[in-house]
Amino acid sequence: DSGVTQTPKHLITATGQRVTLRCSPRSGDLSVYWYQQSLDQGLQFLIQYYNGEERAKGNILERFSAQQFPDLHSELNLSSLELGDSALYFCASSVGGLADSYEQYFGPGTRLTVT
Amino acid sequence: GDSVTQMEGPVTLSEEAFLTINCTYTATGYPSLFWYVQYPGEGLQLLLKATKADDKGSNKGFEATYRKETTSFHLEKGSVQVSDSAVYFCALSFSGTYKYIFGTGTRLKVLA
Repeated sequence: DSGVTQTPKHLITATGQRVTLRCSPRSGDLSVYWYQQSLDQGLQFLIQYYNGEERAKGNILERFSAQQFPDLHSELNLSSLELGDSALYFCASSVGGLADSYEQYFGPGTRLTVT
Repeated sequence: GDSVTQMEGPVTLSEEAFLTINCTYTATGYPSLFWYVQYPGEGLQLLLKATKADDKGSNKGFEATYRKETTSFHLEKGSVQVSDSAVYFCALSFSGTYKYIFGTGTRLKVLA
């Protein structure tokens, strides 16, 4: 158990809909990262937050947004969903804001299926 | 730009065979290097890491040496087990930045 929790574990929804994925980082970790893992594109970095502020942005679509709340949990919002958004979404946390040599701790993921 | 390149999988081996999974990187500075493992149905977890040239990371019988001259960090294990079947990701990070880059992953299947 990494200490990172993600809910829900599975999500099935229709095209055009909006969903929210939730992540609670490991106790003491201030950084949260979001990744998308699909069969054909591997692990794609989406966005990083540190102590409530956005710190780095990867290949995140404009239809997607995220935030980190004062209690450090984070939410990833996916809107106008398309079939191609079906994937595993992972949250990871680390103690620092800068990458340095810090290990990232991954949650178990949320499997999103868009029908 | 900075990147990580891993050998394509899947890699299929018999139990007790020797494993090598190649990882090379392109970087403008001196990154820290990592191997993560993802077992079926789970998230990634750190397997080992090395933070400077010639460092060797090791864990659970796996080893990787940070080779600056060849910009490589190949993962090796002398005798694989069925339980090692997983996807292995090479990654790098840069001190003082927010940059953390993962490779595409290499699937390993070990047959009994």
